[in-house]
Amino acid sequence: KQEVTQIPAALSVPEGENLVLNCSFTDSAIYNLQWFRQDPGKGLTSLLLIQSSQREQTSGRLNASLDKSSGRSTFYIAASQPGDSATYLCAYLSGNNDMRFGAGTRLTVKP
Amino acid sequence: DVKVTQSSRYLVKRTGEKVFLECVQDMDHENMFWYRQDPGLGLRLIYFSYDVKMKEKGDIPEGYSVSREKKERFSLILESASTNQTSMYLCASMVEGAYYTFGSGTRLTVV
Repeated sequence: KQEVTQIPAALSVPEGENLVLNCSFTDSAIYNLQWFRQDPGKGLTSLLLIQSSQREQTSGRLNASLDKSSGRSTFYIAASQPGDSATYLCAYLSGNNDMRFGAGTRLTVKP
Repeated sequence: DVKVTQSSRYLVKRTGEKVFLECVQDMDHENMFWYRQDPGLGLRLIYFSYDVKMKEKGDIPEGYSVSREKKERFSLILESASTNQTSMYLCASMVEGAYYTFGSGTRLTVV
C-alpha cells in the first residue's frame, strides 16, 4: 500500500522564524500533490497544489516544492506568525482520483 | 467561491441507528469523496463517486454505504451505527486533476 509520511509530527517555533515541513511518498506515479491546512475541529483548506509536471508553487509566504524522482515534497512558511498555528497535511492524487494523505504536522507558532 | 456543505457540524446518535450524513457541492464536480479522520490514523477513504449513481469502495467501506442520485449530492449512510464509528467525517469534491475542496466536517458521536 502506498504511504505518505510527514516529518516532523509536531513543531513549535517562535514567531518570525522560517520553517520547513517535509513530506515523502512511495508512489512514483502521482498526478499532483497538495498541501492543506486544518484548524482544530474544522475541515481542510487547500493551500498549494503542484502538478506532477511542476517543481514548485508559491503563494505569499508559502512555498511548496515537489521532487517526484525522490518522492518528496517540502513546504516552507516564511516569517511565521501565531495565526499560522494549525495542522498541515500533504496529500497526493493517485491514478484513480483519490487522494492519499499524510498524518500531518502540528505547528505551533509562539508569540 | 466554491463550496462543499455538510449538513451537520455535530451529531449524536445511538448504537444501532441508521445515520445519514449529507454533502452538497455547488461546483458541478464529477468526483466526490467521503473520508473519516481519527487521531493517529489520519484521513482514510471510505467511498468515492466519479459520477451520478456510480460509487467505488475506498479503504474502509465496511459498515457504510453511499448514495449519489444527483451530481451535487453525495450521502454517506451508516446502516447500523456502532461506537467505533465515532469520528470526524469529511466530504470532498474535485474536478479531474484539480483541487480537492473539503466541507467543514461532521463530528459524529455514537453512544
